[in-house]
Amino acid sequence: LAKTTQPISMDSYEGQEVNITCSHNNIATNDYITWYQQFPSQGPRFIIQGYKTKVTNEVASLFIPADRKSSTLSLPRVSLSDTAVYYCLVGALNNNDMRFGAGTRLTVKP
Amino acid sequence: GAGVSQSPSNKVTEKGKDVELRCDPISGHTALYWYRQSLGQGLEFLIYFQGNSAPDKSGLPSDRFSAERTGGSVSTLTIQRTQQEDSAVYLCASSLDYTGDTQYFGPGTRLTVL
Repeated sequence: LAKTTQPISMDSYEGQEVNITCSHNNIATNDYITWYQQFPSQGPRFIIQGYKTKVTNEVASLFIPADRKSSTLSLPRVSLSDTAVYYCLVGALNNNDMRFGAGTRLTVKP
Repeated sequence: GAGVSQSPSNKVTEKGKDVELRCDPISGHTALYWYRQSLGQGLEFLIYFQGNSAPDKSGLPSDRFSAERTGGSVSTLTIQRTQQEDSAVYLCASSLDYTGDTQYFGPGTRLTVL
């Protein structure tokens, strides 16, 4: 079971790029890396998923080095509404190893 | 289309009573998950259903917790003899299949045990 480690909290300002790194030293060959966002009193929401190298969508980018022992979620030009908890999730193809860690609480200031 | 729905949205109960929480996954999704989130804490995995296979119960905190999924669709999480430490938001999620697909979460049920 791949355990993930993320910073507990981060602060940023509007318009800045935010990079949140997740460590997963025990990642297995068939594990995917997925990031979720959670606002207070809401369920988590999928942001981005990747296996290796770089993945980009309309919301974020995900950078995964060759050894896959870490991954970095990059949020371009954050706004106040990006204030949320961000979870890094590492799981096997059969999904029953998907476990959420404590997440990173991002606070975006004006 | 409709997302994952959960009911009730809020449940207040007395210590020692049994409660049932319901989850309706997205139609066609074969995988269903239950998580628990205590105030200010991360998500805690409880149980996972995949199709007609036996569920992965490895996350259930005690034998007071049980879950079933009827007909591969609706799921019910039952907590017997509730304790105050059971107070939390219980979240249900579903995904299309077992290939590491995205999990879509419901709004959760906020359980308060007095």
